[in-house]
Amino acid sequence: IVLTQSPGTLSLSPGERATLSCRATQSISSSHLTWYQQKPGQAPRLLIYGAYIRATGIPDRFSGSGSGTDFTLTISRLEPEDFAVYYCQQYGGSFWTFGQGTKVEIK
Amino acid sequence: QVQLVESGGGVVQPGKSLRLSCAASGFAFSSFGMHWVRQAPGKGLEWVAATAYQDAVQYYADAVKGRFTISRDFSTNTLYLQMNSLRPEDTAVYYCAKWSGDYPVYYFDFWGQGTLVTVSS
Repeated sequence: IVLTQSPGTLSLSPGERATLSCRATQSISSSHLTWYQQKPGQAPRLLIYGAYIRATGIPDRFSGSGSGTDFTLTISRLEPEDFAVYYCQQYGGSFWTFGQGTKVEIK
Repeated sequence: QVQLVESGGGVVQPGKSLRLSCAASGFAFSSFGMHWVRQAPGKGLEWVAATAYQDAVQYYADAVKGRFTISRDFSTNTLYLQMNSLRPEDTAVYYCAKWSGDYPVYYFDFWGQGTLVTVSS
């Protein structure tokens, strides 16, 4: 299963809404879809698991949705610390795959 | 608190071997699956290998199958990645990550800070 994220780069201003897409080449269980945030020089950080469940300590401006082959990460109002790269990830029992990432940059 | 600390990275010539380590603490090491994920310079995340709960089974990405071996030492709470026949395309930061959750929802909840492997002559 290949995950394709779009857009590759999202240029937005603080306070704006960010909508990131993750599309799978075949249907996956929403239980198996996870989102991570990565800032330069840092390890990835768990954001959303099970497609829509926020991880501990993640602000409620982050939300996940979707099913089947189409999943979305939404940041309702961008804060300065939200500018980063976001990855979706899925697993299929014996393999794990990541999307190529969406960079959210300051416009 | 959970801590994962990688070590063992460095510069190595093509065709040579290297062993990475990941020291784990703060959780019941044998009760969780553990993975290696890599990231080539300026690129995205790529899953490399996994060892399941209590090392019941191991899985590998096609790109490393037959060359890399994942293992762990439960007496020292250390995860390893033995990398043989290294290629320039193996150059990356290698992260160890803890696989967590409750059926059927699983995810990487903790990551180490990574160790850089550079394969170059």
